[in-house]
Amino acid sequence: RKEVEQDPGPFNVPEGATVAFNCTYSNSASQSFFWYRQDCRKEPKLLMSVYSSGNEDGRFTAQLNRASQYISLLIRDSKLSDSATYLCVVNSRRGADGLTFGKGTHLIIQP
Amino acid sequence: SAVISQKPSRDICQRGTSLTIQCQVDSQVTMMFWYRQQPGQSLTLIATANQGSEATYESGFVIDKFPISRPNLTFSTLTVSNMSPEDSSIYLCSVVLGQGLPYEQYFGPGTRLTVT
Repeated sequence: RKEVEQDPGPFNVPEGATVAFNCTYSNSASQSFFWYRQDCRKEPKLLMSVYSSGNEDGRFTAQLNRASQYISLLIRDSKLSDSATYLCVVNSRRGADGLTFGKGTHLIIQP
Repeated sequence: SAVISQKPSRDICQRGTSLTIQCQVDSQVTMMFWYRQQPGQSLTLIATANQGSEATYESGFVIDKFPISRPNLTFSTLTVSNMSPEDSSIYLCSVVLGQGLPYEQYFGPGTRLTVT
């Protein structure tokens, strides 16, 4: 089993729709979880950290299920500008050097 | 967040040569890292750049191939030595702001390297 696994997509979604991604991780001792966004030929940008209680930032909601070892990202009222690759990232070590990146889910919002 | 810059932004190099990439941060940071993103792949950690001591390398990466300097808390360099076409990749530095969990990392814009 890969350390961090994501459906690569692409997800083709009409503008205004709601879209959800899941990500699974293999290390049950993982401590920190993140969603990053990466646009073509750009660096990854932190979208949000994922907390055990779940967290919301505007149209974006992240959930963590430790028992099943998966993380989800929900995007409501999707915009054309949401088109990007979304990287699931897990910190599997005690220190900051333990980030493991998923290969990303490619999202295309269609007008 | 911090402002992170990298130089050069891109380069095309001949095999057998070396390239040094610079990473500059606009504030002092304790933790700084170097990553590689090969075409169509996700990010892989090369090493942790430690200020005042030798870098800590991940499995599969060695100091002779990727020497790293960290002379102060705002600057680091990564050298890709004796390059081959397999080294063609995007190289990114990242920093962690703050001291504890969740260790959110912020990335520089990357250096796109092509080795011919």
